[in-house]
Amino acid sequence: SQQGEEDPQALSIQEGENATMNCSYKTSINNLQWYRQNSGRGLVHLILIRSNEREKHSGRLRVTLDTSKKSSSLLITASRAADTASYFCATALNSNYKLTFGKGTLLTVNP
Amino acid sequence: KAGVTQTPRYLIKTRGQQVTLSCSPISGHRSVSWYQQTPGQGLQFLFEYFSETQRNKGNFPGRFSGRQFSNSRSEMNVSTLELGDSALYLCASSPLLAGGQETQYFGPGTRLLVL
Repeated sequence: SQQGEEDPQALSIQEGENATMNCSYKTSINNLQWYRQNSGRGLVHLILIRSNEREKHSGRLRVTLDTSKKSSSLLITASRAADTASYFCATALNSNYKLTFGKGTLLTVNP
Repeated sequence: KAGVTQTPRYLIKTRGQQVTLSCSPISGHRSVSWYQQTPGQGLQFLFEYFSETQRNKGNFPGRFSGRQFSNSRSEMNVSTLELGDSALYLCASSPLLAGGQETQYFGPGTRLLVL
């Protein structure tokens, strides 16, 4: 089963609005990462947040991590049509060297 | 620096054949991971290599194998192809000892279609 599960599965908003995606996971983690994928291409890394961090920012992106609830959220502010993509959360455990991905949230930003 | 490159980008094979996919990591990166992406199963971890050693393997049958060379380039091989092997195969590299412990840099993928 997937370690991370994103919610919602799909999200459609207008340009300029904010988009929030959530991720829940099951076991203790070393870090949680968010990636973006445009239409079946390679994944682009957005943000990595470690288990001892609560919030990180990168440009228009804000990620929070609540280890007590085993959840994370990705906020994209002032969205643009170019933000249209699938967004995945991925978790890394302390004990191995792999990322476990959720099924992703498909974000559509309408111009 | 050049990004992660994967060859070929597209491939069509028939059932029963075998296929080899290649990945060149970012210069200086020593960890290479492989993932399979399908609409039904999503992104699934195949294996990870560091210094020519497989450190972790996902839950895939033995038909899926890989290796890493001394220059960190990696190949994965799928033997006796099945229709369900049709997927986007993604390679990712990361620096140092990282694997999933650090940011992974993904290539554009190889899209494999099995007929």
